[in-house]
Amino acid sequence: EVQLVESGGGLVRPGGSLRLSCAVSGATLSTYGMNWVRQAPGKGPEWLSYISSSSSTVYYEDSVKGRFTISRDNARNSLFLQMSSLRVEDTAVYYCASGYGYFDFWGQGTLVTVSS
Amino acid sequence: DIQMTQSPSSLSASVGDRVTITCQASHDISNYLNWYQQKPGKAPKLLIYDASNLETGVPSRFSGSGSGTDFTFTISSLQPEDIATYYCQQYDNLPRTFGGGTKVEIK
Repeated sequence: EVQLVESGGGLVRPGGSLRLSCAVSGATLSTYGMNWVRQAPGKGPEWLSYISSSSSTVYYEDSVKGRFTISRDNARNSLFLQMSSLRVEDTAVYYCASGYGYFDFWGQGTLVTVSS
Repeated sequence: DIQMTQSPSSLSASVGDRVTITCQASHDISNYLNWYQQKPGKAPKLLIYDASNLETGVPSRFSGSGSGTDFTFTISSLQPEDIATYYCQQYDNLPRTFGGGTKVEIK
């Protein structure tokens, strides 16, 4: 069974940085395109970024472009999201999810709180 | 960006009722439309992909239909475990976008 486990969330000041990780087990990460999706409190999911299986293609949602960087290490079966210049409005639960068009496996999420 | 409009935003129905949720896209998205179920404190779960295909392991009381701009999600006989919020999501274009959600409750 495919399992995704996020880590790295926490409390950070506005303007700060944080690096999220997503560990994949039960499957070979190199066969999957991967995404980060976030969900602010009481809101619907918001797709943020996609990285192809070989890292050759990456996409970002406009509000995080230039501030967030998606990457992966297939040898370590891990996905990452480097977040910088964090804003209060980035406060959310961050999920990693597999897939290109539809997201078939999800992690449990990690909470990022941006507050002074 | 493609806007996804779901309705209703919430509904209350009895066990055994047929429940229908609609999702309208701001542009033609062919059949690039998925449906998710989210229970409190949990990640979304894929139920339907490509508008009408049931994900493996999902009960057959869930179904989807539509193409272009108008889509429908149906629970044929509402069960207590179906209490959740349901979201549509398009992947015709970037960014992938979700609808605002429909919260389903038991009457």
